[in-house]
Amino acid sequence: AQSVTQPDIHITVSEGASLELRCNYSYGATPYLFWYVQSPGQGLQLLLKYFSGDTLVQGIKGFEAEFKRSQSSFNLRKPSVHWSDAAEYFCAVGGSSASKIIFGSGTRLSIRP
Amino acid sequence: EAGVAQSPRYKIIEKRQSVAFWCNPISGHATLYWYQQILGQGPKLLIQFQNNGVVDDSQLPKDRFSAERLKGVDSTLKIQPAKLEDSAVYLCASRNDRAGPEAFFGQGTRLTVV
Repeated sequence: AQSVTQPDIHITVSEGASLELRCNYSYGATPYLFWYVQSPGQGLQLLLKYFSGDTLVQGIKGFEAEFKRSQSSFNLRKPSVHWSDAAEYFCAVGGSSASKIIFGSGTRLSIRP
Repeated sequence: EAGVAQSPRYKIIEKRQSVAFWCNPISGHATLYWYQQILGQGPKLLIQFQNNGVVDDSQLPKDRFSAERLKGVDSTLKIQPAKLEDSAVYLCASRNDRAGPEAFFGQGTRLTVV
């Protein structure tokens, strides 16, 4: 069955500190993996995606994620967070065309001044 | 390019009333999704369309929810009758499978059932 686990419900980091948000997935075939960000009252914005090639992918706003097939993980990282990064982050998994996209429960990121 | 459009943005109804949400996907996107996002949770897929055909509606509560996608473009999601637990944000997303695997989301409709 297709599923996504985000073990951290809420994370607080200091501005300027590094960040890692965890994501583990279960998928029967080659996964397409995504990280989305959601600000209050807004829809979801794609940060980055992985579906083949280099396992370290770069996204917008200085985020990157690393796909580790052996660990079924796709963790999101940022070397130095900004106050504007405070939001809800969702990891998602899907497949090739016409497949559904399943989301994790999200991690809320707070930034300490 | 215009994004996914949804309306209304907000809706408040009483339980047992009916409500409908509208979604206009990005032009040319064959795949359309409706998600339900309850406060504090991740989006839950309700239904997926490929053009005007249903691909997956396994999580759609069919006794009260219905959805259609006429002519493979716009889509409407209806709830009749609404229950208190239907209070959520309803998100529409579309995907161009030929261009990439990612879905693009609208801003959602926040439904409050009182």
